Amino acid sequence: RKEVEQDPGPFNVPEGATVAFNCTYSNSASQSFFWYRQDCRKEPKLLMSVYSSGNEDGRFTAQLNRASQYISLLIRDSKLSDSATYLCVVSPRSSASKIIFGSGTRLSIRP
Amino acid sequence: NAGVTQTPKFRVLKTGQSMTLLCAQDMNHEYMYWYRQDPGMGLRLIHYSVGEGTTAKGEVPDGYNVSRLKKQNFLLGLESAAPSQTSVYFCASSYEGSEQYFGPGTRLTVT
Repeated sequence: RKEVEQDPGPFNVPEGATVAFNCTYSNSASQSFFWYRQDCRKEPKLLMSVYSSGNEDGRFTAQLNRASQYISLLIRDSKLSDSATYLCVVSPRSSASKIIFGSGTRLSIRP
Repeated sequence: NAGVTQTPKFRVLKTGQSMTLLCAQDMNHEYMYWYRQDPGMGLRLIHYSVGEGTTAKGEVPDGYNVSRLKKQNFLLGLESAAPSQTSVYFCASSYEGSEQYFGPGTRLTVT
């Protein structure tokens, strides 16, 4: 089993739809969680950190479920500009070498 | 404030040639990282550094060497390039083990 797993997609949804995807992790000692966005042929950019209490930033909501060991990302009222690959990142925080990136979920928003 | 920069942006090497990739950051981050990204795979950590003068191996260190002589710079060297090292290389930096900031990447092709 991979340490961090994501559905590769692609998720193809119409503009204005709500879309959600999950990321599961295997290391129960993981402490820090992030969602990154990566556009085609560009570098990953931090979208949001994921806190234990969950957090929201505009149309984006991230949740952490420690019991089931997954994090989720919800995008409401999706825009064409949301088309990208979304990477989840899991870290034990205490070790730089243990930061694990998921392979990413491709999202395509159609007009 | 340039963030993280990488040079060169593109490079084509012949098998057996050597080269050095340069990463520079102006955010005074202690931690710096080198990743490679291949199609269908997540970012894989090659080497990392938790401070000036220190380096450590990541998940896929073979065939690469690194140096961190100055806090703001992290160099990745390929002593004898192989076709398997064809990839996109990303450098990143962070404050301790928190969210990482990435450079724009170097696209390397080894023929």
